[in-house]
Amino acid sequence: QVQLVESGGGVVQPGRSLRLSCAATGFIFSDYGMHWVRQSPGKGLEWLSVIWPDGSNIYYADSVKGRFTISRENTNNTLYLQMNSLRGEDTAVYYCARVRQGYLDFWGQGTPVTVSS
Amino acid sequence: DIQLTQSPSTLSASVGDRVTISCRASQSVSTWLAWYQQKPGKGPKLLIYKASSLESGVPSRFSGSGSGTDFTLIISSLQPDDFATYYCQQYSSYSTFGQGTKVEIK
Repeated sequence: QVQLVESGGGVVQPGRSLRLSCAATGFIFSDYGMHWVRQSPGKGLEWLSVIWPDGSNIYYADSVKGRFTISRENTNNTLYLQMNSLRGEDTAVYYCARVRQGYLDFWGQGTPVTVSS
Repeated sequence: DIQLTQSPSTLSASVGDRVTISCRASQSVSTWLAWYQQKPGKGPKLLIYKASSLESGVPSRFSGSGSGTDFTLIISSLQPDDFATYYCQQYSSYSTFGQGTKVEIK
């Protein structure tokens, strides 16, 4: 069955960096685009970034453009989110999700990130 | 950027009630709209895609309708497992989510 497992979250100081990973199993990873979405405490969902199956196209939300970088390694079925220059407002649970024709048909359980001094 | 506005933000209902949640887009998204259910501590679950297509395995009491800028999610007879927060998502231009509608026990 399809499984997405995020990891790499934790507590980090403002201005520092963190890299999140999303391990995919149960499907042919290289056939699907992937998204990162976050949810701040008590808030709604915020779309962050998408990467095409072969990595040829990448898009970001304005809130993270220039600070966050999405990437993937199809050889080991893993999606990444490199987060630099972290701010307090980046505190959230970060989800990876699989794309099917634009909508997100499977989501991970999320990994929490807290940006605090 | 396309904005999505859901209403209401919170809805109090009883088991067996018919529940209607609205999602309005700031510009036309055709039928490129999906609905998700989220429970505390979990990732969202896909319910409806392309405005009205029911995802496999989702109970038939869930239905979606609309096109252009106005969309609706209906739960025909609310069940105990349905108390959760619901989000719409447009995927016409990148992606945006509505702010969510929490369905709580009356």
